[in-house]
Amino acid sequence: KAGVTQTPRYLIKTRGQQVTLSCSPISGHRSVSWYQQTPGQGLQFLFEYFSETQRNKGNFPGRFSGRQFSNSRSEMNVSTLELGDSALYLCASSVGHTMNTEAFFGQGTRLTVV
Amino acid sequence: ILNVEQSPQSLHVQEGDSTNFTCSFPSSNFYALHWYRWETAKSPEALFVMTLNGDEKKKGRISATLNTKEGYSYLYIKGSQPEDSATYLCAFPDGSSNTGKLIFGQGTTLQVKP
Repeated sequence: KAGVTQTPRYLIKTRGQQVTLSCSPISGHRSVSWYQQTPGQGLQFLFEYFSETQRNKGNFPGRFSGRQFSNSRSEMNVSTLELGDSALYLCASSVGHTMNTEAFFGQGTRLTVV
Repeated sequence: ILNVEQSPQSLHVQEGDSTNFTCSFPSSNFYALHWYRWETAKSPEALFVMTLNGDEKKKGRISATLNTKEGYSYLYIKGSQPEDSATYLCAFPDGSSNTGKLIFGQGTTLQVKP
């Protein structure tokens, strides 16, 4: 069974540009969540999608957006990149709610903004 | 705002030592408590999802206990090995929003010296 796949693994962008990250969940998983990790910070919740609907959004500016497709694959987009957006972005999938079931994480996309 | 605290922040032990760390979480509106192990250059991997007060779970040399009334969980590693070196994260589902949002602690980074 394939795990959660995130592409690309590494990305370097310039301030002001935009970026799109992709996440393919485990087959059959309908919930996809995104997290950001910056140096010295724990994993910060960005948003969660379930059956193509965003169910919750973390405390991030509107430059951060996402979507989920009918096959449960998800993308997240960051527009007008800032230096502070440099981080590891992780996505996680689960069968339904993650409350009682474990989340399965991808290896992440390391974004560097210069 | 829900807060999840982990202690200690880091730990250095010798091979063969037993160790334990703590996760503190809000005791109200409890749904579940997750433990993840995150090795360098890999994805976070679920160790346990605990749901009942008094729950004790075990996986090899690693075990965890849960006290939902006082809002804490302990993770124990018996006879630490170098391959146990990792960051251990606990996460508390944000049940108030009825979504898959996980609130993570900052983690405990364990270094086991051979």
